[in-house]
Amino acid sequence: GNSVTQMEGPVTLSEEAFLTINCTYTATGYPSLFWYVQYPGEGLQLLLKATKADDKGSNKGFEATYRKETTSFHLEKGSVQVSDSAVYFCALRGSGGSNYKLTFGKGTLLTVNP
Amino acid sequence: GAGVSQSPSNKVTEKGKDVELRCDPISGHTALYWYRQRLGQGLEFLIYFQGNSAPDKSGLPSDRFSAERTGESVSTLTIQRTQQEDSAVYLCASSLSSTGGTNEQFFGPGTRLTVL
Repeated sequence: GNSVTQMEGPVTLSEEAFLTINCTYTATGYPSLFWYVQYPGEGLQLLLKATKADDKGSNKGFEATYRKETTSFHLEKGSVQVSDSAVYFCALRGSGGSNYKLTFGKGTLLTVNP
Repeated sequence: GAGVSQSPSNKVTEKGKDVELRCDPISGHTALYWYRQRLGQGLEFLIYFQGNSAPDKSGLPSDRFSAERTGESVSTLTIQRTQQEDSAVYLCASSLSSTGGTNEQFFGPGTRLTVL
């Protein structure tokens, strides 16, 4: 079945540091890939997505590139802010018959200190 | 407009009791999903409703779990004879449809269930 493995946290950075959260996946066919973010006290929100190989998703300074050859979708940001402190989830949606289900990683807690 | 809402936000119950969790999807969204997030784990798919089609119940962990949805509106997730391992955050999501470009899932804030 489909699975997502992402970097275990917690990750603690200083403001303006570079962020990478690794995510790799196992899936058949051509899944769509997502990063979701959960800010403290809020619901899960879609941060960015990519639907085919070599696509780059981007939003709010975050980027992730769909790499089929390495089955990866690593999240990056060049300069993090305190307001980026949140839990980040990597997820995929399969391309087969049950392509409405999202399969999530365990989440990575990011704390950014001033 | 209003997002997905869930109630209650927190529920504490005793082992063996039944609980009912409610989800109000975004108006006009035909697809509705329930997920569960146990401590330190990712979200697990539980059940999916799409319009009047038969729901996909493949993620329900046991027959103590059931869910209903009336048309394209409110859904309830019921857990009978709760066990401590049922303690988790239960998340509901909805989307305009389940395929194509309109299938982005919008999540509610979740219900935190604690079984003592």
